[in-house]
Amino acid sequence: EPEVTQTPSHQVTQMGQEVILRCVPISNHLYFYWYRQILGQKVEFLVSFYNNEISEKSEIFDDQFSVERPDGSNFTLKIRSTKLEDSAMYFCASTPTGRGELFFGEGSRLTVL
Amino acid sequence: QQQVKQSPQSLIVQKGGISIINCAYENTAFDYFPWYQQFPGKGPALLIAIRPDVSEKKEGRFTISFNKSAKQFSLHIMDSQPGDSATYFCAASGYGQNFVFGPGTRLSVLP
Repeated sequence: EPEVTQTPSHQVTQMGQEVILRCVPISNHLYFYWYRQILGQKVEFLVSFYNNEISEKSEIFDDQFSVERPDGSNFTLKIRSTKLEDSAMYFCASTPTGRGELFFGEGSRLTVL
Repeated sequence: QQQVKQSPQSLIVQKGGISIINCAYENTAFDYFPWYQQFPGKGPALLIAIRPDVSEKKEGRFTISFNKSAKQFSLHIMDSQPGDSATYFCAASGYGQNFVFGPGTRLSVLP
């Protein structure tokens, strides 16, 4: 069964460092998303991406965040200068049409020290 | 308008009992209402979903009840099992609307 894959599964970084989280969405999907989940809390929308551009972003997705689809398969989330409060689980998700089931990856746990 | 409310925050049920989780929304543009199940350390996975053209959908032990006029929907887990212990998120989306998740319900099913 096709699945969304994310790397790394866990990354520990120092405050102020740049982090890149990588995702490979399901191959025939066209809409891509990043969500964040602080431990034990709700799943929060960060950004959606379609046709090689951001279609919507939340207020959490400020200037320190960026997304990119550098090739036909990868979808990346970059955090330029990490802060302690960026520590969370980051989930990539994709869907074929922008409607219907959202397929999530296993997540990347980011720990900022 | 974009918020989805969910209750209870946590739920403890005996094995074999019925677990009921409720959600409410405001945005009438939402037309797809999924429930996601999340185990610790894993990503959310779709459990069951409903569209507003039906009032109920059942898949095995899981049933969604949908009340369009009240803008409410609920998840019923019949014959709850310890393996059902997880966090459950309701969500909503629609044309031109991103997925919005409820805050989650942590379900514990006691053996």
